[in-house]
Amino acid sequence: TQLLEQSPQFLSIQEGENLTVYCNSSSVFSSLQWYRQEPGEGPVLLVTVVTGGEVKKLKRLTFQFGDARKDSSLHITAAQPGDTGLYLCAGGDNFNKFYFGSGTKLNVKP
Amino acid sequence: SQTIHQWPATLVQPVGSPLSLECTVEGTSNPNLYWYRQAAGRGLQLLFYSVGIGQISSEVPQNLSASRPQDRQFILSSKKLLLSDSGFYLCAWKGYVGAFFGQGTRLTVV
Repeated sequence: TQLLEQSPQFLSIQEGENLTVYCNSSSVFSSLQWYRQEPGEGPVLLVTVVTGGEVKKLKRLTFQFGDARKDSSLHITAAQPGDTGLYLCAGGDNFNKFYFGSGTKLNVKP
Repeated sequence: SQTIHQWPATLVQPVGSPLSLECTVEGTSNPNLYWYRQAAGRGLQLLFYSVGIGQISSEVPQNLSASRPQDRQFILSSKKLLLSDSGFYLCAWKGYVGAFFGQGTRLTVV
């Protein structure tokens, strides 16, 4: 089993602040995904990173894949209440097994 | 486009009763399919995955089983539910860019 650890576990910030969420593993991943989940719903894919060192931007969200493909980060600029949710990273070492991190619960207060 | 259907959305079952959750995928053939369980506000635990009809891989020894009787159908079952089987169950199919989820089933064992 590949362990994906996310930090912090909980994050409560004011609207307009910046934040970074981390996803770390001792294993190498062929690709890594970030998801956002609302209560009572399934996770929704935000981005996939494939190449070590890759940086992808999605509006105010910036995703980075570590050079060694063992870790990733999600940075949100000027957080808004609509960003509130559970953020999950996920990855696998082949196309079949697919594991999720422990999750970061973000609350953005207006 | 691909869609994934999962039902029921909520389920309350007594201890010792059987369970059957069904998941079907449309718009793709020979998908990799997954069952996950999620504790409140936490990450997803991989339970089973399947790469084809009749092919099931189990990740965690437990009171549950899975079957794939048709290419786009994935079923999660139990002969006798335990209180510890309560949780949010999610079915997913995985494409090249990431995983796509059903709406989830909230199972409460009483």
